[in-house]
Order: sequence, then structure tokens, then C-alpha cells
Amino acid sequence: AQSVAQPEDQVNVAEGNPLTVKCTYSVSGNPYLFWYVQYPNRGLQFLLKYITGDNLVKGSYGFEAEFNKSQTSFHLKKPSALVSDSALYFCAVRPNRDDKIIFGKGTRLHILP
Amino acid sequence: GAVVSQHPSRVICKSGTSVKIECRSLDFQATTMFWYRQFPKQSLMLMATSNEGSKATYEQGVEKDKFLINHASLTLSTLTVTSAHPEDSSFYICSASGQGGTEAFFGQGTRLTVV
Repeated sequence: AQSVAQPEDQVNVAEGNPLTVKCTYSVSGNPYLFWYVQYPNRGLQFLLKYITGDNLVKGSYGFEAEFNKSQTSFHLKKPSALVSDSALYFCAVRPNRDDKIIFGKGTRLHILP
Repeated sequence: GAVVSQHPSRVICKSGTSVKIECRSLDFQATTMFWYRQFPKQSLMLMATSNEGSKATYEQGVEKDKFLINHASLTLSTLTVTSAHPEDSSFYICSASGQGGTEAFFGQGTRLTVV
């Protein structure tokens, strides 16, 4: 079955330190990969996507993600965390255009001042 | 980026009544719209997928007669919760994707409370 795994329920990082939020997927072919962020009582905001090309993609708010095909991973990263980055982060996969999007369970990121 | 507007942001209704939630794509044509339900501290649960002009495709376990979805135009989809009960209380989120688009853009969500 197609799935997305975010192995960490919560990640704590000190402000100014680099952060990584992990994501692996199990989808055949060459899916589209996404990261979204959700703030309390809000919908999801699109951060970045990987379609093809360079394995390192840059997105909003200084976030980037690294695609690794052999490990079927798409980890979210940021060189220097801000307290305002504290939120719920979702990794998502879309097998093909017009397919439904498969979401991971989410990882709560806490940036400690 | 593309904007999806969802209304209302929160609604309280009495048990047994129906509630309609609107989802509009403001600056693109949404050929596909998705409706999700999110329980506290949990991920999104896809309820249904709708394509403009055709019937929605519901996920297994979602009652199509209870959660009526209409996608009558390329910019508007509605979710009607019929005969709402307290267990329908939840956070409902819509998202929209344009033709040939890869990512989906999300509405702000609707907090439904049934009393």
C-alpha cells in the first residue's frame, strides 16, 4: 500500500540550531513530494515540492528539503531555526497528477528560545 | 501562490440541523477539490475527492448521504453536513488543485461544533 511515514511525533530544537524533520515514503514510480506546515486552527500552507531535477529544493521561510531516491526519503531542513517555526509539519506524496495526495501523520516542531 | 478561501471559519449548530461549508479557489480554476477531516492532534483524513461537473468519489467509510459534496463550478465546491450530530464536530479542510497542477492549496479550515 502507498504510504508516507514521519517517524517522529515531535522534534525539539534550540533556536538558531539546524533542524531536520524526517519523511520516508512508499510509492511506486516517480511521485511528487511536498511539505506543508499547519499553524493552530488553520489550514495547511504549502512550503515546497519536488517534481524532478536537483535533489535539494528550496521553499518558503528558508526551508529546504533533500530528495533521496535510493532511500525514498524527503527530509525537511532549515539551517537556523526560529521560534516562529514552531508548528505542525506534514510530508505528502502525490503518485501522479490528479491523484489524491497521501499525507504523513505530521511532526510537531518545537523551537525552544 | 494560489489562494483557496474556505467559509465559515467556525460554526456552531444544533444537533439535527445541516451545515454548509464553502471552498472557493480565488485565482485559479480548481479542476479537483479534496475534503479532509482532522481530529485533534491527528493527521488529515481524506473524505472525498471531487472533480468539476462530476460526482464526488468518497473514501471508504465516509457516508456519502451524510456528507454531501457539490463541485458545480471550477471555483466552488461545497460540503454539506446533513443532520449533524455531536460526533460530527471536527475541523474540516478543503484543498484545490488546478488542471495539470502538482500541488494542492488549502483553505483555512472550518471548525464545526455540533451541540
